[in-house]
Amino acid sequence: SYVLTQSPSVSVAPGKTAKITCGGNNIVRKSVHWYQQKPGQAPLLVIYDDSDRPSGIPERISGSNSGNTATLTISRVEAGDEADYYCQVWDSSSDQWEVIFGGGTKLTVL
Amino acid sequence: QITLKESGPALVKPTQTLTLTCTFSGFSLTTSGVGVGWIRQSPGKALEWLALLYWNDDKRYRPSLETRLTITKDTSKNQVVLIMTNMDPVDTGTYYCAHRQAGSSGTWFDPWGPGTLVTVSS
Repeated sequence: SYVLTQSPSVSVAPGKTAKITCGGNNIVRKSVHWYQQKPGQAPLLVIYDDSDRPSGIPERISGSNSGNTATLTISRVEAGDEADYYCQVWDSSSDQWEVIFGGGTKLTVL
Repeated sequence: QITLKESGPALVKPTQTLTLTCTFSGFSLTTSGVGVGWIRQSPGKALEWLALLYWNDDKRYRPSLETRLTITKDTSKNQVVLIMTNMDPVDTGTYYCAHRQAGSSGTWFDPWGPGTLVTVSS
């Protein structure tokens, strides 16, 4: 089945820009969605359809998708952005349609 | 406003069957395009999708767990039920239900319930 690969961790200083990547074979042909999960909380959708933001998500959180890599970008990082981030796609390329999550990236704010 | 909440036993014994209920409000599972999914997370691990139920009763399961999973709905009660058989300690984790959203080429989940922790132990 389709595999999404994320780096286990990313560290960034406050005020800087964090880039969290999600790799997959020709991922540009899929819609990628991103979730933020803080400790002890349920995941929160932050980006859908590669680059759309749900209501209430700040504009400094953005997404892009090209080639074999989708990217979640968080500008002007704040302490409150420290969380695990997961990418997700819907894979209908095989007989088994399924939801695929990446392994998650822990964002640490230094 | 859409809300979901999971309920079920906190502790099950190995080989037992787990039954979890997702009670939701703010949408109807009779509306075209609507769906509810189940996702779990073992302690310290990544999210793992389990099952998805659509308004038309179409069902999708994680291939590796398909023989152990059943997802059903009770539209009159606004509930979706997940049944997982032959529980094992590796199935310990937090189980979430979530509202399925869809675009032209994808499915995503928003919002999610708070989750319910299930421990499998004798």
